[in-house]
Amino acid sequence: GESVGLHLPTLSVQEGDNSIINCAYSNSASDYFIWYKQESGKGPQFIIDIRSNMDKRQGQRVTVLLNKTVKHLSLQIAATQPGDSAVYFCAENADQTGANNLFFGTGTRLTVIP
Amino acid sequence: GAGVSQSPRYKVAKRGQDVALRCDPISGHVSLFWYQQALGQGPEFLTYFQNEAQLDKSGLPSDRFFAERPEGSVSTLKIQRTQQEDSAVYLCASSLNSNSNQPQHFGDGTRLSIL
Repeated sequence: GESVGLHLPTLSVQEGDNSIINCAYSNSASDYFIWYKQESGKGPQFIIDIRSNMDKRQGQRVTVLLNKTVKHLSLQIAATQPGDSAVYFCAENADQTGANNLFFGTGTRLTVIP
Repeated sequence: GAGVSQSPRYKVAKRGQDVALRCDPISGHVSLFWYQQALGQGPEFLTYFQNEAQLDKSGLPSDRFFAERPEGSVSTLKIQRTQQEDSAVYLCASSLNSNSNQPQHFGDGTRLSIL
């Protein structure tokens, strides 16, 4: 079945530095990917998405990179702020299966040090 | 409302009791999803509705779990004869239409504890 995983379970960065969170996926049929941020006691919050026909997409202070050759996804956060501290999940959707549900990885906990 | 609303936020039940969890999706959203999130894990898919039709229930862990969305808006997830392993956060998400390449927007979940 599909598998989405993260290389680093925890990441600590200094305030103002850039953060990079990595994610590996195993289903080459996946065609849509989303990054979510989840704070304690809250539901996952949509950050940015990317379709498989793209390799880069930018948002406000965030960039998602997709490398389909090695099935790797990353989230870059520029000028990391204390409010960015949370658990970050990548999720994938493999529409070819006819399923609309997302498959999530375990998550990476980002801690921003003031 | 502005976002997905779930109630109750917290539910404590004794083993063997039945529970019902409610989800109010974003107004006008066609697709509705239920996920289960264990502590320290990512959400896992339970079931999917397109309007009132339950198109996928492959993630429901047992026949004790039942979900409905009778009028294509509010949804209820019911768990009968609860067991301790049912303790988790239950998340509801909705998306605008039935296209798979649409972001799902999540509520804050119901934290269920079975004693």
